[in-house]
Amino acid sequence: AQSVTQLDSQVPVFEEAPVELRCNYSSSVSVYLFWYVQYPNQGLQLLLKYLSGSTLVESINGFEAEFNKSQTSFHLRKPSVHISDTAEYFCAVKGYSTLTFGKGTMLLVSP
Amino acid sequence: DGGITQSPKYLFRKEGQNVTLSCEQNLNHDAMYWYRQDPGQGLRLIYYSQIVNDFQKGDIAEGYSVSREKKESFPLTVTSAQKNPTAFYLCASSTQGSNTGELFFGEGSRLTVL
Repeated sequence: AQSVTQLDSQVPVFEEAPVELRCNYSSSVSVYLFWYVQYPNQGLQLLLKYLSGSTLVESINGFEAEFNKSQTSFHLRKPSVHISDTAEYFCAVKGYSTLTFGKGTMLLVSP
Repeated sequence: DGGITQSPKYLFRKEGQNVTLSCEQNLNHDAMYWYRQDPGQGLRLIYYSQIVNDFQKGDIAEGYSVSREKKESFPLTVTSAQKNPTAFYLCASSTQGSNTGELFFGEGSRLTVL
């Protein structure tokens, strides 16, 4: 069975500070990992994904995540956050039928 | 533009009434999904369909029903048997041929039962 643990339900941070959102997974099938972002009252948008190859994957807006097989982690990082990054972030792993999601981490960026 | 359209965006219903949420996609995706989102609980799978005229229960199917008569459409009915229907409902789709599982989401429907 697949499962995802997002260790922090909420992460407060000041603008321009670095941030790391933690994600650990377990999977008995091929490991495909995703981070999605959700703004208030909207659907989820794909932020980045790891399918194979380089263990470091990047998004177009400065986020990156590193796949670590030995630690079964896929933490999301950004070196300098903006107010507009305030949103909920979901880590997901592919299962047999569809994606299994973590419970989400709310990133709160304040000036 | 291609995408997934959910309607209505907001819906209020009295307790005991059935309600149907619409989900339409023009991405030519084979597979479609319904998730329920509650604060602090992430997304939980209600039903999914990998092909027309076929669907499977997800983790929390009790009190819900679906149909898949057309490739583009996957409506969800929240029945009076659902004990706690107030939630945010998300529809998603993916290509059947994609073994990565990547999902594309609609904007969601927020149901409030009074």
